[in-house]
Amino acid sequence: KQEVTQIPAALSVPEGENLVLNCSFTDSAIYNLQWFRQDPGKGLTSLLLIQSSQREQTSGRLNASLDKSSGRSTLYIAASQPGDSATYLCAVNDYKLSFGAGTTVTVRA
Amino acid sequence: DAGITQSPRYKITETGRQVTLMCHQTWSHSYMFWYRQDLGHGLRLIYYSAAADITDKGEVPDGYVVSRSKTENFPLTLESATRSQTSVYFCASSREVGTDTQYFGPGTRLTVL
Repeated sequence: KQEVTQIPAALSVPEGENLVLNCSFTDSAIYNLQWFRQDPGKGLTSLLLIQSSQREQTSGRLNASLDKSSGRSTLYIAASQPGDSATYLCAVNDYKLSFGAGTTVTVRA
Repeated sequence: DAGITQSPRYKITETGRQVTLMCHQTWSHSYMFWYRQDLGHGLRLIYYSAAADITDKGEVPDGYVVSRSKTENFPLTLESATRSQTSVYFCASSREVGTDTQYFGPGTRLTVL
C-alpha cells in the first residue's frame, strides 16, 4: 500500500521568502506525481504533474522535482506572496491517487 | 465550459437515510473518481470508474454504491447513512489514468446526524 508523507504539516513565512515543501512516498512504481493546491472550503486545483520519466516540472514561480529512486518530491515556490497561502497536497499516481495529508502554508504580508 | 460539478454542495441527513451525491463532467473524460476528505485521514478513494458501466472499489468502499450509466455522470449513494460518513466528498475526472491530471469538483459537505 502506497504511503505518502508530507513534511512539514504547516509553514509560516514572510512575504518574499522562498517556500520548500516536501513529499515522500514508499513505492517507486508510479505513473506520475501531482501537486495540488486547496483553499479553505474549496476543491483541489492541479498545480504541476511530473511524469515518472521526468526529473522536474516548472510553471511560473513553481518548480517541482521528482526523485523516484529515493521516493521524494519537492515543490519550490519562489518569492512567496500572501495569495500563496493555502494547503498544498502531493498525490502519487500508481493507477490510483494516494494523497499526503498536506502542508498548510501561511505567507505573512 | 462547466467542467465538473457536484450537487448538492451541502447536505444534512439523519442516520439510516439513503443519500445520493451527484457528479457531472462536461469533458467526456473516461475516468471518474469519488474521494472523501477527513481530518486526520486526508483524501481517500472510495470508488472509481474507467468507463460507462465499469466501476471498481477504492480504499474505503464500504457503505457506498456507485453507478455509471452515462459517461458524464457518476453518482455516489450512501445506502444507509452513518455518522462516520460525515465528510467532504470530492468527485474527480481524467482522460487517462497514467498520464493525465485529475480535475476535481468543488466538493459536497455531508453531515449525518
